[in-house]
Amino acid sequence: DVKVTQSSRYLVKRTGEKVFLECVQDMDHENMFWYRQDPGLGLRLIYFSYDVKMKEKGDIPEGYSVSREKKERFSLILESASTNQTSMYLCASSLQFTEAFFGQGTRLTVV
Amino acid sequence: AQSVTQLGSHVSVSEGALVLLRCNYSSSVPPYLFWYVQYPNQGLQLLLKYTSAATLVKGINGFEAEFKKSETSFHLTKPSAHMSDAAEYFCAVSEGTGGSYIPTFGRGTSLIVHP
Repeated sequence: DVKVTQSSRYLVKRTGEKVFLECVQDMDHENMFWYRQDPGLGLRLIYFSYDVKMKEKGDIPEGYSVSREKKERFSLILESASTNQTSMYLCASSLQFTEAFFGQGTRLTVV
Repeated sequence: AQSVTQLGSHVSVSEGALVLLRCNYSSSVPPYLFWYVQYPNQGLQLLLKYTSAATLVKGINGFEAEFKKSETSFHLTKPSAHMSDAAEYFCAVSEGTGGSYIPTFGRGTSLIVHP
């Protein structure tokens, strides 16, 4: 079975902190995604990557950056956390044109 | 460009009743369509997918969905709801060759099951 592992289930950070959310997949998928989930808004794409060191902005990239130094790992970085970044963050991976496999999610609270 | 509309943010049914969750999509090329389920504080889990084979797709937990090109719809059904079906359901689309492979999600429908 494909496994997508997010490093933390719950995080509490202070405003202004630099925050790293880590995601690792074990099925050699070329595509990896970071989504943000908020009530009533569904899943919104922050960034995606289709290869090592490649990244593309999604719909809401402001305030975020990403890193993909190895194929299996895709990191989301909040350069300076703000309270409006309190949310559920979901990482996913896929092959081309197939379904996405999701991690368990990280619920981030910024205080 | 692709998009997904899920009608109804909440659907309430009685245990044993038919479940119908609606999804309409727009896509410039033949789409791949998916339904996912999310239980509280969990990630998304694939229920079923349409990838241009049979138009009636069967998934896990007794769910199925029918692709109707003329209506640009991919509604999810289950003949008899169970309490354990209470969850958030997301419809998603990604386009086939020549389109965007990035899945686009609807806003989700919360299924409430009453005893």
